[in-house]
Amino acid sequence: DAKTTQPNSMESNEEEPVHLPCNHSTISGTDYIHWYRQLPSQGPEYVIHGLTSNVNNRMASLAIAEDRKSSTLILHRATLRDAAVYYCILRSWGGQNFVFGPGTRLSVLP
Amino acid sequence: DADVTQTPRNRITKTGKRIMLECSQTKGHDRMYWYRQDPGLGLRLIYYSFDVKDINKGEISDGYSVSRQAQAKFSLSLESAIPNQTALYFCATSDFETGHRFFGPGTRLTVL
Repeated sequence: DAKTTQPNSMESNEEEPVHLPCNHSTISGTDYIHWYRQLPSQGPEYVIHGLTSNVNNRMASLAIAEDRKSSTLILHRATLRDAAVYYCILRSWGGQNFVFGPGTRLSVLP
Repeated sequence: DADVTQTPRNRITKTGKRIMLECSQTKGHDRMYWYRQDPGLGLRLIYYSFDVKDINKGEISDGYSVSRQAQAKFSLSLESAIPNQTALYFCATSDFETGHRFFGPGTRLTVL
């Protein structure tokens, strides 16, 4: 299974943009890139996903490198409520393997 | 109302006791999962079920069993709890097409 690599932790100031990187150099052509986040004392929640093109939704943007070997989750204006662990996950279409690594712990400073 | 609920939310038990954690969902999904999370680590898959008649082992199924009583209900049992099963347990469902996971609030289990 293709693996992902993320920094253990990152820090941001409130109301500034945050770029959370993820490396997935062994990604296959059918793997979708998913991002989840886990707020304190809660289960993970879906943030965004994409295949090749950049994606935007109300929570975040996902920028995917042209060679698809890396991606970046972008929070346009971090708030204190965005402090969480962010997971980058690869999933092949129709596949059930969904591996949650340790993720990146994002701290947001007021 | 929450789409995925878990009971109990917290449980303290003793070594050797049998414990059942329950999960219910109102999302209408066929696929359900049980995960375990240890401090500072990601989630590890214990068991999953694609429908009522289907049960599959995940990466860490030893010491656990599951029952899929209905489409909406998936329970996890620890037949004889041991201290290293102290962890946070999450139930999840998924949409078939996207694979998106929808998680419950978790059950914090402590085995003394």
